[in-house]
Amino acid sequence: QKEVEQDPGPLSVPEGAIVSLNCTYSNSAFQYFMWYRQYSRKGPELLMYTYSSGNKEDGRFTAQVDKSSKYISLFIRDSQPSDSATYLCAMSATGGSYIPTFGRGTSLIVHP
Amino acid sequence: DVKVTQSSRYLVKRTGEKVFLECVQDMDHENMFWYRQDPGLGLRLIYFSYDVKMKEKGDIPEGYSVSREKKERFSLILESASTNQTSMYLCASSSHYQTGEGTGAFFGQGTRLTVV
Repeated sequence: QKEVEQDPGPLSVPEGAIVSLNCTYSNSAFQYFMWYRQYSRKGPELLMYTYSSGNKEDGRFTAQVDKSSKYISLFIRDSQPSDSATYLCAMSATGGSYIPTFGRGTSLIVHP
Repeated sequence: DVKVTQSSRYLVKRTGEKVFLECVQDMDHENMFWYRQDPGLGLRLIYFSYDVKMKEKGDIPEGYSVSREKKERFSLILESASTNQTSMYLCASSSHYQTGEGTGAFFGQGTRLTVV
């Protein structure tokens, strides 16, 4: 079992839909949780991060962490075609070198 | 803004060549990483470095070496390129101190290497 599991998709939704992207993990030491967006043929860009449990909102994006269930989510409201990309979750533990562990990414397609 | 710059976007090399991929970051980050990304396999860590001249093997170090002579620069070396090293290579950097806006790893734009 991989430390971080993420459904690869693709997930195809109509413009304006609410999108839910999820990851599960097994390492209870993870404290930092991140979401990256990667457009085709580009490097991943950091979208959001959350420390420990709780929610964080940034515009149309909301990140949720449920440490008791070892489950994190990224919600995208009013999705746009420009949101079409691969979304990778990542997490790291405190201490050490904060080496992130990545999920394999979920491909999202928002069609007009 | 954090900037991580990789020297080339696209490279085509011949089998057996020695290949150098260069990465520079401007945020004074302690950690630097090299990943390769292949369809269906996600990001796989090749090597990382947490300080100048320090390096640690990642998940798939075979066939690769690295060099970190200066804090801002991390080089990936393919000693003798092979066709199975055709891939997207991504460099990243991060701070030891994961607080606030400093949290997370920041990536370069990637180098798509083709070995023929």
